[in-house]
Amino acid sequence: GAVVSQHPSRVICKSGTSVKIECRSLDFQATTMFWYRQFPKQSLMLMATSNEGSKATYEQGVEKDKFLINHASLTLSTLTVTSAHPEDSSFYICSARKTVDRGYTFGSGTRLTVV
Amino acid sequence: QKEVEQNSGPLSVPEGAIASLNCTYSDRGSQSFFWYRQYSGKSPELIMFIYSNGDKEDGRFTAQLNKASQYVSLLIRDSQPSDSATYLCAVSLSNFGNEKLTFGTGTRLTIIP
Repeated sequence: GAVVSQHPSRVICKSGTSVKIECRSLDFQATTMFWYRQFPKQSLMLMATSNEGSKATYEQGVEKDKFLINHASLTLSTLTVTSAHPEDSSFYICSARKTVDRGYTFGSGTRLTVV
Repeated sequence: QKEVEQNSGPLSVPEGAIASLNCTYSDRGSQSFFWYRQYSGKSPELIMFIYSNGDKEDGRFTAQLNKASQYVSLLIRDSQPSDSATYLCAVSLSNFGNEKLTFGTGTRLTIIP
């Protein structure tokens, strides 16, 4: 298989605090992982491409200082939402691909609620 | 113009019938096409992907790609209530390596028992 694990699945935090979300590839090495955000009844929007050992590539309009991405190993990428605000409340999902003959596998997602 | 367009639905199909989901894309350089199923509150699950023009079948699912018309579809045969979900079409500019996916807004499918 190609299993991507994401943790936590659900988090509630106070406005102004930071939250870290982990994405792990369990049975393969992922030099690249993708972070998406999905608001209710909307589609997935790519936030950034996480590259192992180098800086992430952010999509236009995504604040790199607010959404910190670290891809320190071939099996782990983290997304830290800094100084979270209620408008950051969303469903955050990571994705990776094991081999070119497979599709992209998604983690189970993290539902972030900022109160 | 949106890069990847889907009819948002809802699309209602009787159980046992064929559900047909459609997707168009704007970038002629697109190379890989993916169909994902997403249940409410869950992350997307890959159904199948297609690179070449024509049909690709996997069990009850058939993906159809027409690059000249910039059109990709998903047929679900013998629809089951468990097929009720939102179906997302996604497109990549590359066949190889890791290239980002651009998603459509999804089509909500309801299978009526």
